Amino acid sequence: AAGVIQSPRHLIKEKRETATLKCYPIPRHDTVYWYQQGPGQDPQFLISFYEKMQSDKGSIPDRFSAQQFSDYHSELNMSSLELGDSALYFCASSLRTGGAFFGQGTRLTVV
Amino acid sequence: GESVGLHLPTLSVQEGDNSIINCAYSNSASDYFIWYKQESGKGPQFIIDIRSNMDKRQGQRVTVLLNKTVKHLSLQIAATQPGDSAVYFCAENMNTGNQFYFGTGTSLTVIP
Repeated sequence: AAGVIQSPRHLIKEKRETATLKCYPIPRHDTVYWYQQGPGQDPQFLISFYEKMQSDKGSIPDRFSAQQFSDYHSELNMSSLELGDSALYFCASSLRTGGAFFGQGTRLTVV
Repeated sequence: GESVGLHLPTLSVQEGDNSIINCAYSNSASDYFIWYKQESGKGPQFIIDIRSNMDKRQGQRVTVLLNKTVKHLSLQIAATQPGDSAVYFCAENMNTGNQFYFGTGTSLTVIP
């Protein structure tokens, strides 16, 4: 069965650079979520989209933005990167009233 | 073996024993709950879910129990195997919202 696809799997950026993470949800899923997970931490909700519109917003820094496109894929844009942004970033997708299924994540390292 | 969530974030069990992982959720308005398994460096893997109109749901070797009175969720794993070693998270969702709140994970180690 098709799963959530994230790219890239690994990304190394320098401080103050920008990064773009991509997420391709499970086909026919209408909701996309982004989470950030630091080492040994719980996944922290950043933002979600339902039918290409922003739905809920969590602890997403103002330096980050995200959108969902007409083909339902989503991108998380991160600017002015800081060392503290180093983390695993997960995307998940679901049907509106169903469980969220996660991708394998993008490991971002800021140096 | 049994964990008590925040107070015992690690749980070690012998292979073949049953495991119980507990979770205290925060929002009485939450009506949908999921247990996830996360192996090192991988994404959370959906194990089993339960809605608030149920108090028990069974899957293959796993059972989730929901006690809405005390806002408590548990995951029971029967005949625990080495491949069950991972961090387990409970996540809660309100039907009115598009986000899942994750509880503190419990690290399960299965001793062969």
